[in-house]
Amino acid sequence: AQKVTQAQTEISVVEKEDVTLDCVYETRDTTYYLFWYKQPPSGELVFLIRRNSFDEQNEISGRYSWNFQKSTSSFNFTITASQVVDSAVYFCALSEATGGGNKLTFGTGTQLKVEL
Amino acid sequence: DGGITQSPKYLFRKEGQNVTLSCEQNLNHDAMYWYRQDPGQGLRLIYYSQIVNDFQKGDIAEGYSVSREKKESFPLTVTSAQKNPTAFYLCASTLQGATYSGNTIYFGEGSWLTVV
Repeated sequence: AQKVTQAQTEISVVEKEDVTLDCVYETRDTTYYLFWYKQPPSGELVFLIRRNSFDEQNEISGRYSWNFQKSTSSFNFTITASQVVDSAVYFCALSEATGGGNKLTFGTGTQLKVEL
Repeated sequence: DGGITQSPKYLFRKEGQNVTLSCEQNLNHDAMYWYRQDPGQGLRLIYYSQIVNDFQKGDIAEGYSVSREKKESFPLTVTSAQKNPTAFYLCASTLQGATYSGNTIYFGEGSWLTVV
């Protein structure tokens, strides 16, 4: 069965520090998609990135970057020069073909606190 | 503006009562989902619907019911059989439901349900 593990429950950093959020996944499928979402205090989930299992290229979007490594089943998320507005809960999620329905399996989330 | 609208944002329920959470989307998405979020447990899938007039149970469907009479609407009823209904409920949708595509799933702003 699929599983997503975010071992870091809470991370606290000082503004301008770099921070990496870890995500490890388990799946038997060869075709799957990985996602990161941000949940600010207001509650809604904001989509950040989607990556398919055949594309291991790292991606950078502004201060955000993602490192996908199939060899270690990891999809880590790095925020460079963190800002207070980055404070939120971040979820990693997996979607796989087995079972249909484009369903997401979520990790338990990492609470990121960025302080001045 | 296109999006997913959930109502009400906050809802209080007396024990033994059924309550219905509304979810409407104007994105012309085929599939819709309901997730429940509890502290430290991430998001868990309650029900999902890939097409109109069809829906499937997720991982924690007991005590909940849904309907999908219209493409844009997917209301969730929390019945008195749900033993611990206090939680944050998130509705979501994606473009294609029946065929696996790894499409991005977009979320509403959520509804807080508290049993008093």
